[in-house]
Amino acid sequence: DTAVSQTPKYLVTQMGNDKSIKCEQNLGHDTMYWYKQDSKKFLKIMFSYNNKELIINETVPNRFSPKSPDKAHLNLHINSLELGDSAVYFCASSRSDSGNQPQHFGDGTRLSIL
Amino acid sequence: DAKTTQPPSMDCAEGRAANLPCNHSTISGNEYVYWYRQIHSQGPQYIIHGLKNNETNEMASLIITEDRKSSTLILPHATLRDTAVYYCIVRVTGNQFYFGTGTSLTVIP
Repeated sequence: DTAVSQTPKYLVTQMGNDKSIKCEQNLGHDTMYWYKQDSKKFLKIMFSYNNKELIINETVPNRFSPKSPDKAHLNLHINSLELGDSAVYFCASSRSDSGNQPQHFGDGTRLSIL
Repeated sequence: DAKTTQPPSMDCAEGRAANLPCNHSTISGNEYVYWYRQIHSQGPQYIIHGLKNNETNEMASLIITEDRKSSTLILPHATLRDTAVYYCIVRVTGNQFYFGTGTSLTVIP
């Protein structure tokens, strides 16, 4: 069973559209995250949720809105997509936000904006 | 804000031990050292982490110097499937992982 699963794996869409990426974890973890990996392969934290509550919101345009309906899910909705949004988006989870808890990552969603 | 320094690339012969160094000279007393790797286009894979003591698991060993300013990840018998980018990260509770540029390890047949 996949521990952290993201859908879709690939997403190709036009500039200006609105899209969502879904993430689910079956590990029973309390904390979930979204990361963005750009074309230079640099991986950067975007958001962090603990028990459905937003705890980290890095400098991300407000076109990006995370939503956590329950502890096992953290979805990412993106409005008015721009060319610079093209990247690989990774979801991750950890037992808690303690420094002693490793994060487990999904396989990523490859977003391409035309 | 990665707080770690790693060589950009390394080679290792298949079957030999791969020793990947990391400098984290500004590490605080409560910051853990984590190692992850990313194979091709997959998600980062957790390898090992530690605070002060050396750690070993089925994948690797982590050696942390006594002053905690540097560490070494050891893959005891590298295989071709260990070719990946290896990230060394320091983390304290509440702070998220900040990935640097990592070390691209190539295992050579």
